[in-house]
Amino acid sequence: EVQLLESGGGLVQPGGSLRLSCAASGFTFTNYIMNWVRQAPGKGLEWVSGIRGIDDGTYYADSVKGRFTISRDSSKKTLFLQMNSLRAEDTAVYYCARKSGHFDSWGQGTLVTVSS
Amino acid sequence: EIVMTQSPATLSVSPGERATLSCRASQSVSSNLAWYQQKPGQAPRLLIYGASTRATGIPARFSGSGSGTEFTLTISSLQSEDFALYYCQQYTNWPLTFGGGTKVEIK
Repeated sequence: EVQLLESGGGLVQPGGSLRLSCAASGFTFTNYIMNWVRQAPGKGLEWVSGIRGIDDGTYYADSVKGRFTISRDSSKKTLFLQMNSLRAEDTAVYYCARKSGHFDSWGQGTLVTVSS
Repeated sequence: EIVMTQSPATLSVSPGERATLSCRASQSVSSNLAWYQQKPGQAPRLLIYGASTRATGIPARFSGSGSGTEFTLTISSLQSEDFALYYCQQYTNWPLTFGGGTKVEIK
């Protein structure tokens, strides 16, 4: 069974940093593009970033480019999102999602709140 | 960036009735279109991919159609558990983009 378990969310001040993790199990981690998708309170879904398993190539939404860095540790089957220079508008639930073209598996999400 | 537009924003339907949700892409996404269902406090759940293929375990009352720029999700006979938010998403090009969602509520 595919499982994705996010962690690392919390309260951070504007301008601060946070690192999210997503522990994967039940599938061959390097065979998939892994992604972060976020959802601000009461808002819709926004894709944030993705990373290829084959060569660690990365993709970013314009809204986070230059501030967020996606990475993966394939030996530990873990996905990361390093978030720097955080802004109030980054407040959201962050989901880890496996991409098979579409997103076929999602974690339960971790809440990031950016506030002073 | 491909912009995905969903309509209507809210759909009021009685249990047992048919619901038709629309999704339009700003340029062709071929059949690289997925639909997700989301309930309060839960992660999204994949319903349809490839515009018309039901995901594993999804009931037959859910069906998807369309290609190019116009897509439809149909729920043939709404059950109580189907009242939720629905999102479409294209996966033809990066950045991957979602529609703004349609809320299906009880009439």
